[in-house]
Amino acid sequence: AQKVTQAQTEISVVEKEDVTLDCVYETRDTTYYLFWYKQPPSGELVFLIRRNSFDEQNEISGRYSWNFQKSTSSFNFTITASQVVDSAVYFCALSEVGNFGNEKLTFGTGTRLTIIP
Amino acid sequence: SQTIHQWPATLVQPVGSPLSLECTVEGTSNPNLYWYRQAAGRGLQLLFYSVGIGQISSEVPQNLSASRPQDRQFILSSKKLLLSDSGFYLCALDLTSGYTDTQYFGPGTRLTVL
Repeated sequence: AQKVTQAQTEISVVEKEDVTLDCVYETRDTTYYLFWYKQPPSGELVFLIRRNSFDEQNEISGRYSWNFQKSTSSFNFTITASQVVDSAVYFCALSEVGNFGNEKLTFGTGTRLTIIP
Repeated sequence: SQTIHQWPATLVQPVGSPLSLECTVEGTSNPNLYWYRQAAGRGLQLLFYSVGIGQISSEVPQNLSASRPQDRQFILSSKKLLLSDSGFYLCALDLTSGYTDTQYFGPGTRLTVL
């Protein structure tokens, strides 16, 4: 069965510091997708990134970067120069194919990130 | 672009009462739709998904049910709520069948069962 582990339950850093959120996954599929979502206090999940299992290139989007390492089954997320607006719960997720050929997501338990002004 | 509406935004219900949560989408046709539940301090659990009208797949045994009476409407129901049904319910959609795509989430319904 699919599994996503986010070992860091809560992290607090001072504004402008860099912070890395860890994600480790388990799957028997050879093709899969990995995701990161942000959940601000309002509750709605905001999509951040989707990564194909065949693409191990790191990705950077502004202050956000992602490190995908298949050898260690990890998909870590780094925020550089953190800001108060980055405070949220962050979820890592793994896809699998559902009964109808659609996508099903397995989520980690989330990491609550607090940026201290 | 697509928009997901969820109604109501918040709900307080007594144990044993019925439940109906609605999810409607705009700006797309024939989406795959999903219901997730997030219990307090926990991750998201997939409850149901649907790839079309009348097509529902259940992920976990429970006292909840789902229906899709129209292409852009997905309803989550219960005949008798339990305390353990409390949580944050999120509806999501993705736009592609037969190939993985990105799921986008609605604003959620916060349900408290007393």
